[in-house]
Amino acid sequence: NAGVTQTPKFRILKIGQSMTLQCTQDMNHNYMYWYRQDPGMGLKLIYYSVGAGITDKGEVPNGYNVSRSTTEDFPLRLELAAPSQTSVYFCASRRNRETNYEQYFGPGTRLTVT
Amino acid sequence: AQKITQTQPGMFVQEKEAVTLDCTYDTSDPSYGLFWYKQPSSGEMIFLIYQGSYDQQNATEGRYSLNFQKARKSANLVISASQLGDSAMYFCAMREGDNRLAFGKGNQVVVIP
Repeated sequence: NAGVTQTPKFRILKIGQSMTLQCTQDMNHNYMYWYRQDPGMGLKLIYYSVGAGITDKGEVPNGYNVSRSTTEDFPLRLELAAPSQTSVYFCASRRNRETNYEQYFGPGTRLTVT
Repeated sequence: AQKITQTQPGMFVQEKEAVTLDCTYDTSDPSYGLFWYKQPSSGEMIFLIYQGSYDQQNATEGRYSLNFQKARKSANLVISASQLGDSAMYFCAMREGDNRLAFGKGNQVVVIP
């Protein structure tokens, strides 16, 4: 199993550009999450999904959109990139009945908006 | 309001000694869980340990143990017999309900030989 994979690993965007961060998991997990981590800070939840076709906002959803058309994929869309979106983005997933609620994290995407 | 508080400055710990990382939390939900994750300089998030609010005993995973004091709303991580590979940022996080995690700002640990 590859676990949770994210692409790209690094990206530089100009202000106003758009992009999609890809996230795929091969563990058949129902729950998937997107977080951002600003320098020197903890992770903040952007969006999450409890299953295909169902998404909900987290703590910091403004400027982002998500979709969940399949169990495996949970892409994060940035429209009109702004310098405030410079961050490291982590995707995570977990099983529906994980006894310890552990979330499995991808390696992250480092995004710079200039 | 901040739900997870980690206020210790960066810590230096001698190899083979124990280190305690403080975490306090705030919730009114009777069902919650507490996590510790490790983030080495390479950037990945590594799950260490989990404590459910209804668990009777403190969680342990190898060299990691969680000192859960429910009345004080604290969930401190104890790392015994520190190793050089333990140098990392450590994040405390809380699950409320079923889905979301709220993270603290982290504790930096440097293990010195």
